[in-house]
Amino acid sequence: EVQLVESGGGLLQPGGSLKVSCAASGFTFSTYGMSWVRQAPGKGPEWVAFVSNSGSTTHYADSMRGRVTISRDNGKGSLSLQMNSLRPEDTALYYCVRTWRENTFDMWGVGTMVTVSS
Amino acid sequence: EIVLTQSPGSLSSSPGERVTLFCRASQSVSSNYLAWYQQKPGQAPRLLIYGPSNRVTGIPDRFSGSGSGTEFTLTISRLAPEDSAVYYCQQYGDTQWTFGQGTKVEIK
Repeated sequence: EVQLVESGGGLLQPGGSLKVSCAASGFTFSTYGMSWVRQAPGKGPEWVAFVSNSGSTTHYADSMRGRVTISRDNGKGSLSLQMNSLRPEDTALYYCVRTWRENTFDMWGVGTMVTVSS
Repeated sequence: EIVLTQSPGSLSSSPGERVTLFCRASQSVSSNYLAWYQQKPGQAPRLLIYGPSNRVTGIPDRFSGSGSGTEFTLTISRLAPEDSAVYYCQQYGDTQWTFGQGTKVEIK
């Protein structure tokens, strides 16, 4: 069974930094691109970042470029998102997502909540 | 960045009825890169349709997608009680992914 389990969310003050992680299992992790998608309370999903299967290519949403870094460890089956200079508008549930054919998102974790508030 | 606008914002229909959801893009989308998701309360979104008319394995055939260019539709041919959810369209283009704001479907 495909599983994506996020961790690392929490409450932090504006301007702070946080690293969220995802443990993948049940599929050959190294053959899939992976993404982070966030969803603010009561809002629609918003793509944040993508990393190719090898880790050599990354793409970022304009809203977060320069403040986030996505990375992966294929040996450990893990995905990470380092977030800096966090703002209240970054408050959201952050999902680890498998990127599938035609650049869709076919498998989602349960998410980890990040709350930015003073 | 391509902006996706979904309509209507919400709808309410009876079981067995046919409903059509719309997704309009601010510029042309490669048809291969348009998808639809279903999200129920407290759950992650679930991929239904991609490319834009291919159903994911296990998705009932009452769900169908179509469209091209800037206009896409998701049709539920015979609404079932379990179809109550928010539906999102999503596109990929130019190394960016975007979602629509969603259509909430309620069952009468």
